[in-house]
Amino acid sequence: DQQVKQNSPSLSVQEGRISILNCDYTNSMFDYFLWYKKYPAEGPTFLISISSIKDKNEDGRFTVFLNKSAKHLSLHIVPSQPGDSAVYFCAANGGSQGNLIFGKGTKLSVKP
Amino acid sequence: ETGVTQTPRHLVMGMTNKKSLKCEQHLGHNAMYWYKQSAKKPLELMVVYSLEERVENNSVPSRFSPECPNSSHLFLHLHTLQPEDSALYLCASSQDAGGSYNEQFFGPGTRLTVL
Repeated sequence: DQQVKQNSPSLSVQEGRISILNCDYTNSMFDYFLWYKKYPAEGPTFLISISSIKDKNEDGRFTVFLNKSAKHLSLHIVPSQPGDSAVYFCAANGGSQGNLIFGKGTKLSVKP
Repeated sequence: ETGVTQTPRHLVMGMTNKKSLKCEQHLGHNAMYWYKQSAKKPLELMVVYSLEERVENNSVPSRFSPECPNSSHLFLHLHTLQPEDSALYLCASSQDAGGSYNEQFFGPGTRLTVL
């Protein structure tokens, strides 16, 4: 059973608008969450993270929100740019030896 | 070279071949990982090494043999693979294996096709 779920396999957004990528998790023991971005033919690159003691973390155009009661986090990108087009993976720290548990990813397409 | 590098980038092998995937990290990290990404599935952790010691007991089929000779290098030796082992194999490293706040840095991956 998947512990980290990204229910939208794809998302299309107009340039300049907000992109919202969603992620749900099932294990309330997870205490650290990360977003990775992946371009074709490259490995995932770390984008932004949030600790469970916070509900928001912002870095430039990227903001991650965490709702612990709903076991839900989201990544907001504003304004979206065509270069943001990539697959975005949500990951949770599983606690055991630092291994990350990943969602299946959401493919974001930002149209000019 | 910087970051995490992987060779080869692409590999096609028959089921009776023996090949090895190589990963090298230039970040001074103490932990290294192998992940498998199959089509339409999440990244799946295969193995974790911390200071050259294997620390994660994920059940990896015996046809995969990981090796970590030092904290900068990680290998995945492959033998008698099956077509369903075709996937993208990603290597990652992090400062340490334990603890919560541990970003992992990934290599570009090896695209493996087993015929």
